[in-house]
Amino acid sequence: DTGVSQDPRHKITKRGQNVTFRCDPISEHNRLYWYRQTLGQGPEFLTYFQNEAQLEKSRLLSDRFSAERPKGSFSTLEIQRTEQGDSAMYLCASSPGTSASTDTQYFGPGTRLTVL
Amino acid sequence: AQSVTQPDIHITVSEGASLELRCNYSYGATPYLFWYVQSPGQGLQLLLKYFSGDTLVQGIKGFEAEFKRSQSSFNLRKPSVHWSDAAEYFCAVAPGSSNTGKLIFGQGTTLQVKP
Repeated sequence: DTGVSQDPRHKITKRGQNVTFRCDPISEHNRLYWYRQTLGQGPEFLTYFQNEAQLEKSRLLSDRFSAERPKGSFSTLEIQRTEQGDSAMYLCASSPGTSASTDTQYFGPGTRLTVL
Repeated sequence: AQSVTQPDIHITVSEGASLELRCNYSYGATPYLFWYVQSPGQGLQLLLKYFSGDTLVQGIKGFEAEFKRSQSSFNLRKPSVHWSDAAEYFCAVAPGSSNTGKLIFGQGTTLQVKP
């Protein structure tokens, strides 16, 4: 069990550029979550996948954000036309899928995005 | 709407002293409650969780938490703090009726440990 991995760990980009982050969940975990954490705040839910299906998106996820989970394995989160307000830590978590509310979510180390 | 409040942004305790971190939630039904710890450069790690049954829950690293429905609280405690406990602590709730399991987090409490 290698845990949840995220790549890159850090990303610095200029305003207006597009960025893509990758998350590799724990093997055989059906559920995958993306959260965003800004400085001094707790993580906020962005979106959720069960296998390859994206089942819920937060209102925080503007139309500049898109997430995919092809084949129900790794996931990508893309931000188009980045803005300075997108600067945050983007966290990925996965859970086995036995029970939505009671399963433990295992978090990756996050990708820290800085938009200049 | 569900929410979680952690009233203390920063707490400083001496090594060996006891610790209590406060967490209050707002939710109509019985929530599922979690405490996570986040160390610099590390992902969030689950300390303990409560779903039902015994209201005193034991977790890893010597932590425990008590669910008090009457006070809508789920406070985290440790009898004797170690320097390695310095980190940020997050309380979270997953609505029991949710079919996604998304977590709603408090804003966190930063724990500093004095030698």
